[in-house]
Amino acid sequence: GENVEQHPSTLSVQEGDSAVIKCTYSDSASNYFPWYKQELGKRPQLIIDIRSNVGEKKDQRIAVTLNKTAKHFSLHITETQPEDSAVYFCAATYSGGGADGLTFGKGTHLIIQP
Amino acid sequence: NAGVTQTPKFQVLKTGQSMTLQCAQDMNHEYMSWYRQDPGMGLRLIHYSVGAGITDQGEVPNGYNVSRSTTEDFPLRLLSAAPSQTSVYFCASSSLGAGETQYFGPGTRLLVL
Repeated sequence: GENVEQHPSTLSVQEGDSAVIKCTYSDSASNYFPWYKQELGKRPQLIIDIRSNVGEKKDQRIAVTLNKTAKHFSLHITETQPEDSAVYFCAATYSGGGADGLTFGKGTHLIIQP
Repeated sequence: NAGVTQTPKFQVLKTGQSMTLQCAQDMNHEYMSWYRQDPGMGLRLIHYSVGAGITDQGEVPNGYNVSRSTTEDFPLRLLSAAPSQTSVYFCASSSLGAGETQYFGPGTRLLVL
């Protein structure tokens, strides 16, 4: 089955700086890669996703890049703000018949220092 | 439109007790799933369903049963609770499958003593 590794487990950045979280996956059949943000005591919320036919996707201050050859994808947050503090999870699966569910990384606790 | 709802929000059980975690969605989604989240871990798939009457096992199904008699509801049953099942449980749904946007419920925090 799929295995997703996520690094770092904790990331502390100064407000206004950029943050990068990296994930690798093992199953070359995976073609859907979402990122979730989870605030303390809340449910995971999708912030951005990317499919394997695209190398990069951007939504305001958030971007995701995908390298299919190396089997890794990254989340980039620019101009970080205090409200970006949360735990971020990457995940992988394939879209199509037979896919069971998302395989998640173990999460990155992002801390924005004022 | 309530989205995905879960009940209860919090539950304490004694070892060996049984209970059902409820999950419902009002978006007419075919795909529903259950995950558990433990400290320092990502979410892990317990069971999933691609439509009414169809269920299958995920990564960590032992100790849990599910059924899907309607499109809206996907209950998770613990037949004999164990301390190892102490966790936060999230239900999720999507229109077609795992490769589409998943909408998560608010979660159920379960403590097994």
